[in-house]
Amino acid sequence: AQSVAQPEDQVNVAEGNPLTVKCTYSVSGNPYLFWYVQYPNRGLQFLLKYITGDNLVKGSYGFEAEFNKSQTSFHLKKPSALVSDSALYFCAVRVGYSSASKIIFGSGTRLSIRP
Amino acid sequence: EAGVTQSPTHLIKTRGQQATLRCSPISGHTSVYWYQQALGLGLQFLLWYDEGEERNRGNFPPRFSGRQFPNYSSELNVNALELEDSALYLCASSLGLAGAKQETQYFGPGTRLLVL
Repeated sequence: AQSVAQPEDQVNVAEGNPLTVKCTYSVSGNPYLFWYVQYPNRGLQFLLKYITGDNLVKGSYGFEAEFNKSQTSFHLKKPSALVSDSALYFCAVRVGYSSASKIIFGSGTRLSIRP
Repeated sequence: EAGVTQSPTHLIKTRGQQATLRCSPISGHTSVYWYQQALGLGLQFLLWYDEGEERNRGNFPPRFSGRQFPNYSSELNVNALELEDSALYLCASSLGLAGAKQETQYFGPGTRLLVL
């Protein structure tokens, strides 16, 4: 079955330290991968996506993600965390073709940045 | 450029009633998606409309239905409300392009539905 997994419910990082939010996927064919962030009582905001090409994708707010085909991972990273990065992060993969296409979201990882 | 808008922001209903949620996509987007985000759970795909047609449906009962209007706005209707329907309902839009995989979905702020 095609799926996406976020193995950590919560990640805690001190401000200024690097952060990583993990995501692994299982899809047939080439994956189309996305990261979204959700702030309290808000909808999801698009951060970045991987379609093809360079394995390191740069996105909004200083975030980047590394696509690793051999490990079927698409971890979200930031070199120096800010308290304002505290939010719920979702990894997603687009599966299917044409009318059968849909996005599958991971269960989400709550990122908490302490001052 | 205006983003995806949803109304109302909050909705309180009682069990057995019907709820209607509305969504306006980003200008130029023809696809509208609906998701349910229940407390403690991730996003569950509900429905996808493109060019006025229902293109795909998630694993939800038939009392969840909707439609897309000629201006590409959309309604989600939930009939015979149950307590477990209480959730944040998110709408997203994208350029249709026949479900092109690379298209990004852009989300609205959501409608929080509470069923008492």
